[in-house]
Formats: sequence, structure tokens, C-alpha cells
Amino acid sequence: GQNIDQPTEMTATEGAIVQINCTYQTSGFNGLFWYQQHAGEAPTFLSYNVLDGLEEKGRFSSFLSRSKGYSYLLLKELQMKDSASYLCAVRDRLKRFGAGTRLTVKP
Amino acid sequence: GAVVSQHPSRVICKSGTSVKIECRSLDFQATTMFWYRQFPKQSLMLMATSNEGSKATYEQGVEKDKFLINHASLTLSTLTVTSAHPEDSSFYICSARKTGGTKNIQYFGAGTRLSVL
Repeated sequence: GQNIDQPTEMTATEGAIVQINCTYQTSGFNGLFWYQQHAGEAPTFLSYNVLDGLEEKGRFSSFLSRSKGYSYLLLKELQMKDSASYLCAVRDRLKRFGAGTRLTVKP
Repeated sequence: GAVVSQHPSRVICKSGTSVKIECRSLDFQATTMFWYRQFPKQSLMLMATSNEGSKATYEQGVEKDKFLINHASLTLSTLTVTSAHPEDSSFYICSARKTGGTKNIQYFGAGTRLSVL
């Protein structure tokens, strides 16, 4: 089986930094993905981690610890347009998604 | 880039009718496509994995006779919701996996919002 847990909602201020955590339990592991999804739209790919450590891509960074079953997505210099749901997905045989974290960025 | 086109984006139909949703990979070949369903404020739920030239693999609890999947070519998969009922109203999203490379990233279509009256 596979359980993926992430906070339901978070709020942050424009210009700030926010960290969205994801913990998972899986019988096998073949990569962890983060997606951004605006309301009513399809998810868009943000990052992929398969080895431990930090992957940085512009304002977004993603971290993975396989031994702890833990990842986080770090968003820097928050902008209003970053208000969206952020989905953590883990792949073993198939990719399965967490319920998503709804981030609200306030002025 | 890799583009996945999903059509239609919105459909409203009467109860009992069938609805077909198309998913096309526009600039790459996809031997594997995925169909998801998403209820409001909930995560994506994988319905089935569609493999070109073979039968789809359905997730537990998904009725294969209700949700017919055809993946006849490397760029097209279709999902047909047969005899739709109001409880089938949902947001359906397809994705295509671009094989090769190190990431095997999935690219998502824009989704189809189905409303059954």
C-alpha cells in the first residue's frame, strides 16, 4: 500500500518563504514528484527527486529523504500567483498523489 | 516541450447518455497514458492506466464496463463514460508519459469537467 500525507491548507505572505511537507509510506520507491494545480486546471510539473538531497529550480526547491519517507517543497519570494494547490506524488509501480496542500498567498 | 491535448474541456449531458473524452499527445509518442478523476478539493485519483495496443489496467473499484478506455495509437487514448449518471459528474484528467530520459515525466491534459444532469 501507499500513504501520502501533506497538510491540507497553508497561508503565507507575499515575498515570504513557505515550506510544504510531504511524508509517505510505500512498499517500493521510484521517485517523488511535486505538482502545482490551480483551481479547475490540470496539474503542472514542478520537480522530481529520486535521490536524497535538495533540487533547486528558480524560486522552487524540493528536498527528499528516502530513509525518513519525507520530502518538502520550498517556495521562495512568494508571489500572489503562487496561490494554488501543491500535490506530492510518489511512484512505486504507479504514481499516486497526495490530497494536496492548498496554499494561499496574502498581500 | 511536451503538449497533451484533452477534448472536450467541458461537457454537460443528460443522465443515461455516453460521453467520450479524447487525450492526445501532440508532439511526442506515449505508449502509456493515465486517466484520473478529481472531485472538488480532493486529490487526483488514478482510474486506469492505458497502454497502446493492449487492454487498460483499471484500479480497484473502477468499473471497466462503465469507463471504457481505448488506446489505439501512440498519440491517442479515449475514455468513454457509458450511461452517465449524476454521480459521474467530476473533473477527468488524462496524462501521457513521455518515455525515455531519466524522469519519465507525465504531462497532463487540461482536464474535462463533466456535468451529468
